[in-house]
Amino acid sequence: GQQVMQIPQYQHVQEGEDFTTYCNSSTTLSNIQWYKQRPGGHPVFLIQLVKSGEVKKQKRLTFQFGEAKKNSSLHITATQTTDVGTYFCAGSVGQNFVFGPGTRLSVLP
Amino acid sequence: ETGVTQTPRHLVMGMTNKKSLKCEQHLGHNAMYWYKQSAKKPLELMFVYSLEERVENNSVPSRFSPECPNSSHLFLHLHTLQPEDSALYLCASSPGLAGSYEQYFGPGTRLTVT
Repeated sequence: GQQVMQIPQYQHVQEGEDFTTYCNSSTTLSNIQWYKQRPGGHPVFLIQLVKSGEVKKQKRLTFQFGEAKKNSSLHITATQTTDVGTYFCAGSVGQNFVFGPGTRLSVLP
Repeated sequence: ETGVTQTPRHLVMGMTNKKSLKCEQHLGHNAMYWYKQSAKKPLELMFVYSLEERVENNSVPSRFSPECPNSSHLFLHLHTLQPEDSALYLCASSPGLAGSYEQYFGPGTRLTVT
């Protein structure tokens, strides 16, 4: 079945350092979504990428969708303590929609 | 955010009890979802409803029974649960079926089965 993997599983960074999480699929995705879940909270939608090679930015966050539409990345520049949480990618193949296991980010002040 | 609400927020139940989780969305969405989130596994999609009709059931044990009486409300009826069913149960809604639309999650119900 369709699988969506993420690496790393955990990442600890010093405040001000950059952070990147990678999302990989075994099959070509129609699109990809990214969500953030703060500790004790619920997933919150961040962005959706649809086109091959698409790049979108939200302030310090940069999202990329691979040319083959099988992978994606989220890069945070100069992390802040408010960036703490788990970042999930989610991809769809047809009507099948699957979340990755997430990358848990810790930011040390 | 109050777009998607869930009650109760916390629930402790014995293995022989029957309880129900409630979800309500105030966003005018057409699709609603139940997810299970545990420490060991990522978000597991349990059930999907589109316009009040179940469109997906991902091999969920029959001790979990969903109900969608209208497009704003979703229930998850629980009976004879097992300790491994302890988890955070999240409800979500979206304008249409997931994949093309972002999902809005509720705060979840933290379930403990003793």
